[in-house]
Amino acid sequence: DSGVTQTPKHLITATGQRVTLRCSPRSGDLSVYWYQQSLDQGLQFLIQYYNGEERAKGNILERFSAQQFPDLHSELNLSSLELGDSALYFCASSVAGTFQETQYFGPGTRLLVL
Amino acid sequence: GENVEQHPSTLSVQEGDSAVIKCTYSDSASNYFPWYKQELGKGPQLIIDIRSNVGEKKDQRIAVTLNKTAKHFSLHITETQPEDSAVYFCAASTGGSYIPTFGRGTSLIVHP
Repeated sequence: DSGVTQTPKHLITATGQRVTLRCSPRSGDLSVYWYQQSLDQGLQFLIQYYNGEERAKGNILERFSAQQFPDLHSELNLSSLELGDSALYFCASSVAGTFQETQYFGPGTRLLVL
Repeated sequence: GENVEQHPSTLSVQEGDSAVIKCTYSDSASNYFPWYKQELGKGPQLIIDIRSNVGEKKDQRIAVTLNKTAKHFSLHITETQPEDSAVYFCAASTGGSYIPTFGRGTSLIVHP
């Protein structure tokens, strides 16, 4: 158990809908990272937050957005969903918010868009 | 941008054998190379990493080697055990943000 929690574990929705994925980092970690893992694209970094502020942006679509709240939990919002958005979405956390330190990954949210 | 190629996509070995997974990268400025293990139903877990100023790093049965000139790095697992069965990902990162680019993964199967 990494100490990172993600909810929900599974999510099934329809095209055009909007969903919110939630992540709680390990106690003491200030940074949260979001990743997408799909058969087509493999594992890709989406976005990073550190202590409430966006720190780095990767291959995140404009239809996707994220935020980190004062209690450090984070939410990833996916809107106007398409079939290709079906994937595993992982959240990871770390202490100092650099990519060269150990990131602890949560168990993921499996999203299926029908 | 960075491109990371990982081979093989599947590797099947007998318990006790060694396993080697290889990755190549395209950006000569890349300077941080982590390896992750992902077990079924779980998120990736960092198992070892290497920086560009080091040629080799070992941690018990796991080692990583880096050849900057050839732009490739490899993961070596000795005395494999069934619990080593998982998908392994390499990554390369560069620049001030060090955002990683991942390989496509290698499914390692260790037969008892």
